[in-house]
Amino acid sequence: EVQLVESGGDLVQPGGSLRLSCAASGFTFSSFEMNWVRQAPGKGLEWVSYITGDSIARYTDSVKGRFTISRDNAKNSLFLQMNSLRAEDTALYYCAREIPNCVGDCLDYWGQGTLVTVSP
Amino acid sequence: QSALTQPASVSGSPGQSITISCTGTSGDVGSYDSVSWYQHHPGKAPKLIIYEVNKRPSGVSDRLSGSKSGNTASLTISGLRAEDEADYYCSSYAVPTIFYVLGTGTKVTVL
Repeated sequence: EVQLVESGGDLVQPGGSLRLSCAASGFTFSSFEMNWVRQAPGKGLEWVSYITGDSIARYTDSVKGRFTISRDNAKNSLFLQMNSLRAEDTALYYCAREIPNCVGDCLDYWGQGTLVTVSP
Repeated sequence: QSALTQPASVSGSPGQSITISCTGTSGDVGSYDSVSWYQHHPGKAPKLIIYEVNKRPSGVSDRLSGSKSGNTASLTISGLRAEDEADYYCSSYAVPTIFYVLGTGTKVTVL
């Protein structure tokens, strides 16, 4: 059974840092592109970042230079290092898996999310 | 890069059909057959219901169908049921700008 379990969310002050993790199981993690998607309170879903199996990364404009996506294929884990956090980064952060060779995001499995709150 | 535009809400009675639009630009929806749709019940993980414009993942009801014309994609839910009440989001490639872009979301209410 495919499982994605996020962790690392917390209350952090503006300007602070946080590292999110996503533990994957039930599939060959290294063969799948992975993403982070977030949802701010009362708002819609927002794509944040993407990474290929060999660690080519993409980011939405608002997090470029502040967030870094990475993965450890040996440990079946996905990460999101979040620096210089702002109030507008407050959100539930989901990790999600892409269908291989799909055109577009095609996020077929999602975790339950981890909550990041940026507040003084 | 702005989010794809969806109506804030759509409603229908049980058994009816509804259609949700997703309007982008020639740089995203109009350029790629890459539209996905997600169903999101509050408090649960989003669920992929359509990918590559009109393909359904295994296990997704054939009451759900997707299409695209020009810069606008559409999701149609036929034979509306109470369990279809949820938020729905479209998405698309938007290369070379944002990479992926999601829609503004549509709340579906079953009357």
